Amino acid sequence: AQKVTQAQTEISVVEKEDVTLDCVYETRDTTYYLFWYKQPPSGELVFLIRRNSFDEQNEISGRYSWNFQKSTSSFNFTITASQVVDSAVYFCALSGDGGSQGNLIFGKGTKLSVKP
Amino acid sequence: DTGVSQDPRHKITKRGQNVTFRCDPISEHNRLYWYRQTLGQGPEFLTYFQNEAQLEKSRLLSDRFSAERPKGSFSTLEIQRTEQGDSAMYLCASSRQRGNEKLFFGSGTQLSVL
Repeated sequence: AQKVTQAQTEISVVEKEDVTLDCVYETRDTTYYLFWYKQPPSGELVFLIRRNSFDEQNEISGRYSWNFQKSTSSFNFTITASQVVDSAVYFCALSGDGGSQGNLIFGKGTKLSVKP
Repeated sequence: DTGVSQDPRHKITKRGQNVTFRCDPISEHNRLYWYRQTLGQGPEFLTYFQNEAQLEKSRLLSDRFSAERPKGSFSTLEIQRTEQGDSAMYLCASSRQRGNEKLFFGSGTQLSVL
């Protein structure tokens, strides 16, 4: 069965601190996709990144970076120099090629609070 | 993109009543998804459509739930004989036809069953 674990329920940091959100996944599929979504207080989930299982290159997009390690089944997300606008719930998600490609398995989310 | 829109934003109903939600996806998107999210949890998949065909349904989708997408454009999700356990945020998302594309989510419909 597929599973996504986000062990950190809530994280609170002060503006300009760096913060890493952890994501560990389980799947038997050899081909799979990992995602991160942001859910601000308005409620609408916003796509951040998609990674396929064959691409272990780390990615950087502005203040955001992602570290994908198949050896530890982890796909961690780091925000550098956090800002108040980063406050949101962040979800890691997994979809497998073996099953429905529309059926994302989400973790329970990590609530990030960035204080000024 | 005009975005995915959902109506209504909030719905309060009494146990036993039927409710219907509507979702309008991004116009060029072939795929449409329904998810449910309860407090403190991640979204859970309910069902998805490719054009007008409903291709997959979750075990979460009991007989009281039905979804349609009659012309491959907007979709409706109906819950019959609502129960208090149905209280949740119902999220709609859409994507292009290729698999594992990123999903564009609407703001959701918050259902409260009293």
